[in-house]
Amino acid sequence: NAGVTQTPKFQVLKTGQSMTLQCAQDMNHNSMYWYRQDPGMGLRLIYYSASEGTTDKGEVPNGYNVSRLNKREFSLRLESAAPSQTSVYFCASGRQGAFNEQFFGPGTRLTVL
Amino acid sequence: AQSVTQLDSQVPVFEEAPVELRCNYSSSVSVYLFWYVQYPNQGLQLLLKYLSGSTLVESINGFEAEFNKSQTSFHLRKPSVHISDTAEYFCAVSDVGDDKIIFGKGTRLHILP
Repeated sequence: NAGVTQTPKFQVLKTGQSMTLQCAQDMNHNSMYWYRQDPGMGLRLIYYSASEGTTDKGEVPNGYNVSRLNKREFSLRLESAAPSQTSVYFCASGRQGAFNEQFFGPGTRLTVL
Repeated sequence: AQSVTQLDSQVPVFEEAPVELRCNYSSSVSVYLFWYVQYPNQGLQLLLKYLSGSTLVESINGFEAEFNKSQTSFHLRKPSVHISDTAEYFCAVSDVGDDKIIFGKGTRLHILP
């Protein structure tokens, strides 16, 4: 099992460019999450999906959109990147009823110039 | 509303010395509590969790944490640290029945030779 995979690992964008971060899990989990990690801020939830076909905003959703393509895949899109979106992005998945334990991907390091 | 406070952003400790990483939370309902560890340039991994029952929980690599409901704390301890414990540690809380986890801002553990 690969667990949670994320692509790309690194990305550099110019202000105003768009991109999509991809996430996939092979653990048959219902719930999936996108977080951003910034120094001294911990992890902040951007969006989450409790099940296929549903998505909800987290703490910091502005400037992002998500798509739950199927049970395995959950993508995060930046339509017009800004320097404030420079961060490390983590995808996670979890099984409902499993006491909320989440499994994390390796992260995508994004720099917006 | 939930919140998690990790009182120390960095903790330096000599190898083979004991360490305690402090965590306090606020919530008005029953909670699950977690400690996650992030080794350099990696994603987060679950270290240990409190769900119910015994208030003292242990990990496979010698860490333990004690749930103290009256003090709303979940401090992480290890009697003797090793250089391989160098990492950032995140305390997290989830309301029972909620899909989401709230993370603290992290404590960076520095092991001194």
